[in-house]
Amino acid sequence: NAGVTQTPKFRVLKTGQSMTLLCAQDMNHEYMYWYRQDPGMGLRLIHYSVGEGTTAKGEVPDGYNVSRLKKQNFLLGLESAAPSQTSVYFCASTPVISGANVLTFGAGSRLTVL
Amino acid sequence: GQNIDQPTEMTATEGAIVQINCTYQTSGFNGLFWYQQHAGEAPTFLSYNVLDGLEEKGRFSSFLSRSKGYSYLLLKELQMKDSASYLCAAADSNYQLIWGAGTKLIIKP
Repeated sequence: NAGVTQTPKFRVLKTGQSMTLLCAQDMNHEYMYWYRQDPGMGLRLIHYSVGEGTTAKGEVPDGYNVSRLKKQNFLLGLESAAPSQTSVYFCASTPVISGANVLTFGAGSRLTVL
Repeated sequence: GQNIDQPTEMTATEGAIVQINCTYQTSGFNGLFWYQQHAGEAPTFLSYNVLDGLEEKGRFSSFLSRSKGYSYLLLKELQMKDSASYLCAAADSNYQLIWGAGTKLIIKP
């Protein structure tokens, strides 16, 4: 039972390069999220999805794009990486949106942009 | 605006009790969560409160006062493995989570 799997775990990019982070969950969850975590700041929501084929902007969406072509996968893309996007990225999922919607997180992807 | 405040760092002794406070301001309220995050790892769920009062779960308890916009996480019989960051998060009217920056708890022998 893998839960939420993120790939890659580490990546170093040069400014202007592009890349995609993959999140896969095997729990049949409807809702998926991409967060970034920076020192001294709380988790900030980048984009989220309420089901297959849907995406929505979160708190800090600029510079990122997402896609949810299959229910189990949620991709986060950086078209032209900037040093400000150096961060740890977490994917999370939950089965429903209700009061006690506990998030299951992936292990994180550490991205450094030089 | 929406905001969560919690102390940046706390230190406690093995075997003791520690209380981590959290105050919140959100547009609507649908519950208060506590997550634990060990260094370099993912956050994991600890507790959820939506009604006022104390919820006890083993060595960990969480308290909520909706009128004061206040919660705390109480950790008893501290163990070295409790050294971690503790994240407070409040669910707003759309059930979106607003996260605090986390409290780093250091346990000393």
